[in-house]
Amino acid sequence: NAGVTQTPKFQVLKTGQSMTLQCAQDMNHNSMYWYRQDPGMGLRLIYYSASEGTTDKGEVPNGYNVSRLNKREFSLRLESAAPSQTSVYFCASNPSGSGGRGYTFGSGTRLTVV
Amino acid sequence: SQQGEEDPQALSIQEGENATMNCSYKTSINNLQWYRQNSGRGLVHLILIRSNEREKHSGRLRVTLDTSKKSSSLLITASRAADTASYFCATVSSGNTPLVFGKGTRLSVIA
Repeated sequence: NAGVTQTPKFQVLKTGQSMTLQCAQDMNHNSMYWYRQDPGMGLRLIYYSASEGTTDKGEVPNGYNVSRLNKREFSLRLESAAPSQTSVYFCASNPSGSGGRGYTFGSGTRLTVV
Repeated sequence: SQQGEEDPQALSIQEGENATMNCSYKTSINNLQWYRQNSGRGLVHLILIRSNEREKHSGRLRVTLDTSKKSSSLLITASRAADTASYFCATVSSGNTPLVFGKGTRLSVIA
C-alpha cells in the first residue's frame, strides 16, 4: 500500500548509544518531516525537508541530525541517546510543503532510552 | 511552541450523540487541519479548511473556522464507537511553513 514506512517500530537504547530511524515514502512527495510525540505535549517538529537536498530545524532539533538521502527517504539520527529522547517518533510527508494538502504519517517508532 | 490549543482535553459521550471539539490558535494562519489518531497508531488527515473559508463538511464531519476569534471547531455527528480516538488541530502559518499541532482532545464514544 502507498504511504509512509518507518523502521524500526520499537527500539530500546542505552544512554549514549546511537541509532538511525528510517523513513521512506512512495507517493513522490517533495516534503518530509520528523515529529516527536510525548504524553500531553502533542506533536513537536524536530526537522523537516521541504524538498530534496534541503533540511531545516524545527522546534526541538537539539540532539538530532537528519539526512534527506533522496526524494523517497528521510532519516533521523540520534548520535548519543539521552533518556529525554524517550518518545514516539513520527515521519510524515506532503506533496509540496505548501500546506495546501494534508500530511501522510507513518505508524511511528516507539523509542525508549534507559 | 504549540500553536493550537484544543478544548476539552477529554470528552466522553454515548454512541449516537454529537461530539464537538474546539481549537484556538495564536497567530494568523494560511489553513487549519484536523487529524485523528487511534491508540498506538499514526495520525490520519481528516479535513483542511483555508483561512478564507468559514465551514467545510466531509461525511459526518463539520469544521468551522472563525479567523476573527482565531478558533475552529470540529463536529462529529452521530458518533460511533469507532470514532474513539485523539483528535488534533494543526495550523499552517504561511505557504511553506510546517504544520504546528495542538495537544489534542481524547474522545471516547461509549457503545
